[in-house]
Amino acid sequence: QKEVEQDPGPLSVPEGAIVSLNCTYSNSAFQYFMWYRQYSRKGPELLMYTYSSGNKEDGRFTAQVDKSSKYISLFIRDSQPSDSATYLCAMRRGKLIFGQGTELSVKP
Amino acid sequence: DAGVIQSPRHEVTEMGQEVTLRCKPISGHNSLFWYRQTMMRGLELLIYFNNNVPIDDSGMPEDRFSAKMPNASFSTLKIQPSEPRDSAVYFCASSPTGLQGSEKLFFGSGTQLSVL
Repeated sequence: QKEVEQDPGPLSVPEGAIVSLNCTYSNSAFQYFMWYRQYSRKGPELLMYTYSSGNKEDGRFTAQVDKSSKYISLFIRDSQPSDSATYLCAMRRGKLIFGQGTELSVKP
Repeated sequence: DAGVIQSPRHEVTEMGQEVTLRCKPISGHNSLFWYRQTMMRGLELLIYFNNNVPIDDSGMPEDRFSAKMPNASFSTLKIQPSEPRDSAVYFCASSPTGLQGSEKLFFGSGTQLSVL
């Protein structure tokens, strides 16, 4: 079993939809939780990070962490075609461990 | 700053050949990471350096893989001999220290390696 599980998708939604991306993890030692966004033929870029359980909001993006369930989510409101990318969750226990990534396509 | 610079962008080689991937981290960053990305396995950490010293190479798949960081501004990842299953995108990333909880990694654009 992988330490971090993420549905690879692909996920296709219409413009304006609310998108929910999720990851589960098995190791309670993970402390910091991040979401990276990766556009085609580019390296990943940090989108958001959280430390504690709860929600963190940044514009149209909300990151949610539930440590008791070992579950993290990223919500995208009013999704745009420019949000089309692969979204990778990442967690730190010393080194950074990535999920497999979910490919998202937002159709105009 | 130009960001993390990787070369070459694409590499096509034949099985058994030696492959060398190169990386220049962001100036002033003390940590450097090599990752490999495939559809099947996602983004995997191969090795990381802190202050030019290898700290964790447990992700290096086998002895055919080796990495060096002779100075703070340059690192190489070498595969010898290469095999078709090594085909992947190899990313280099750097960070100011690499050890802080919320610290982000800065990735290069990757090297697409195809071993025929």
